[in-house]
This record gives sequence, structure tokens and C-alpha cells, in this order.
Amino acid sequence: SAVISQKPSRDICQRGTSLTIQCQVDSQVTMMFWYRQQPGQSLTLIATANQGSEATYESGFVIDKFPISRPNLTFSTLTVSNMSPEDSSIYLCSVAGTGSDTQYFGPGTRLTVL
Amino acid sequence: GQQLNQSPQSMFIQEGEDVSMNCTSSSIFNTWLWYKQEPGEGPVLLIALYKAGELTSNGRLTAQFGITRKDSFLNISASIPSDVGIYFCAGQIPGSNYKLTFGKGTLLTVNP
Repeated sequence: SAVISQKPSRDICQRGTSLTIQCQVDSQVTMMFWYRQQPGQSLTLIATANQGSEATYESGFVIDKFPISRPNLTFSTLTVSNMSPEDSSIYLCSVAGTGSDTQYFGPGTRLTVL
Repeated sequence: GQQLNQSPQSMFIQEGEDVSMNCTSSSIFNTWLWYKQEPGEGPVLLIALYKAGELTSNGRLTAQFGITRKDSFLNISASIPSDVGIYFCAGQIPGSNYKLTFGKGTLLTVNP
């Protein structure tokens, strides 16, 4: 399986600011995804990060709030914009290979918004 | 959206006991995945199931893909303290472009 790293591992941010989270994979992967895990909850898919085109967002998530970049097959960023305390969550990236139904997750970024 | 019903929500057991948890859905899934998440970590893949009826083991863990393609179970035998964590099932719906739907998780506590 791929080795996935995320930066930062955690952060405490002020309301109204933005935070960009990076996801780096040690090998080229076709599919990259971003998830949110609210405190004590399960994982909810935010979007699929598409290389060379705009991300595909799930219902309830919009590009203005969660802009995503995917400049190549090993890297993606998720920005949480104009943050509020309700955005306090763990943000996770995951990857899957071509034709693979199996996803592997990064360690997550723990965000607290004050 | 699609929902997975995962049960039990939590379990508190003694070391050495066997554990069973399951997930059910009203929809058919192509793939069932079982993950474990420990505090401060991302989910780690334990077992992946790709075919109806498939039974797969990974050490003390055994999981099965239900014949109807709408359910899966995970068994842990002879539990040990390091089995503590939250176990999530996840399924992939046909035609969903590899997107996963997650259960709500089973919190497992093992008493030494």
C-alpha cells in the first residue's frame, strides 16, 4: 500500500481564517479523496480530487468553502475557507489505484477552530 | 445518500473473548472494506472483500461478504488489549466511481 503523509498534523485556527492541508503520496495514484470526520462521528466524503480538472464535490460541500487542488498524481491540497467552530474536525485524504476498490488513508489533520 | 447500519455501536469485553460486528444495507455493494482507527490516527485497512460469499482472514480477524451483497461481518478471535479502537465498515456502491460509504463505527474496549 502507498505511504501517505498529511501536513499539518494538527492546527488551532481563529474563526474567519483559512487553512490549507497538504496530502503527499509516495507513488502515483489515480484517485485521491478528501473526507471529514467530525468529533465522535464516522467519515463523510467531501470530494474526489481529480488530476488536471476541477474536483467533484459531494452533496453539502461546495468549492468556495473547500477548494481543492490536484496538480499531479502524488499531491493534493484541501483548503478550509472562512472557518467557523463547526469546521472543527479531522480531515483525511485517501488514495486508490487505477481500477482499485481499496482506499488507503493518511493520518489525518486535526483542526480546531476557536 | 446510502447508509450502512453498523452494530453494535460499542462493545466492552474481556481479553481472550471473541468479538463479532456487522454491517447491513438496503443497497447492494461491490466491495466491503473493514478499517480500524486508533486515537489520533487515520483508519487502517484490515480486510478487503470483493466477491459475494467471500470469506477472508487476516491473523485473528475474519470477515465475510454476504451472499446477498447487502451485508458483511467482522470477527476478532481471542481479543487482546491492542485490539482497542473503532472499527468501521465501508462499502462501495456499483457505479459510484470508487466512492465509499462508511458505517458509524463500533467502539471496542478490551479489559485486560
